[in-house]
Amino acid sequence: QSVLAQPPSASGTPGQRVTISCSGSSSNIGGNDVSWYQQFPGTTPKLLTYSDNRRPSGVPDRISASKSGTSASLAISGLQSEDEADYFCAAWDDSLSGYVFGTGTKVTVL
Amino acid sequence: VQLVESGGGLIQPGRSLRLSCAASRFTFDDYAMHWVRQAPGKGLEWVSSISWNSNIIRYAESVKGRFSISRDNAKNLLYLQMNNLKAEDTALYYCVKGPYINVGGNHFDYWGQGTLVSVSS
Repeated sequence: QSVLAQPPSASGTPGQRVTISCSGSSSNIGGNDVSWYQQFPGTTPKLLTYSDNRRPSGVPDRISASKSGTSASLAISGLQSEDEADYFCAAWDDSLSGYVFGTGTKVTVL
Repeated sequence: VQLVESGGGLIQPGRSLRLSCAASRFTFDDYAMHWVRQAPGKGLEWVSSISWNSNIIRYAESVKGRFSISRDNAKNLLYLQMNNLKAEDTALYYCVKGPYINVGGNHFDYWGQGTLVSVSS
C-alpha cells in the first residue's frame, strides 16, 4: 500500500516549472532519504533523484528535488514534452521496516 | 547493469510460482536486491528486499508469510517464491538493484523489465 501522498496529476506548458509534492511522516521522509522515479507508459521506472536531492549521471539539472520535514518535492524546470510521464517518490519506513512508495503523479505537458 | 526476470505467467489462486532474476554486468554479491511490483494501471509497491549476504530480509505486510526471497550469489540469481497466490498479487514484478550491500534507507538504482504474474481461476 502507498503511504506517501502525491497529487494524482500536475501540468504545465512548455518552458514552465512544475512541482510535485510527496507527503509522509517522521518514520519515512522525516528520517530517511527520499528518491524519485520517472516512468513512461509501458516502460520500466528510472531513478531520477536520490538521497533527497542528488541526481544520477545523465539526469539533466533542470530536474531537482528537495525535502523539508516530512515532505519532499520534485521540480521540473523548462518543462518539455518528453517530461510527460508518471513520477513516484519513495523512502524507507522505520516503522514498517520496509520501503514505501508515493501514490504517483501524472505530469501532462499542455 | 542487466536484470532479466522470468517465471511469470497465468496461475490459479492458491497455487505457487517462483520468479527468477538473472543479474549481469555488475558484481552481484556487492549489492542488496529487491522485488517491486506494479498492478495493471496502478502504482509501485515494494514487495521484498535481501541484503548482499542474505542476512537481512524484509517483506511487505501484504506478502509476509506467503512470499520468500532468496539469492544465489554463485549463480548471480535472485528469486521470489510466491505461495498461496491471490488475485491481488496480479502485477508486473520488477527485479531491482540497490546501491549498497544492505537493505534500508536508500534507493533503487536499476530496474529489470519485469515479469507478469496473473492470478485468476
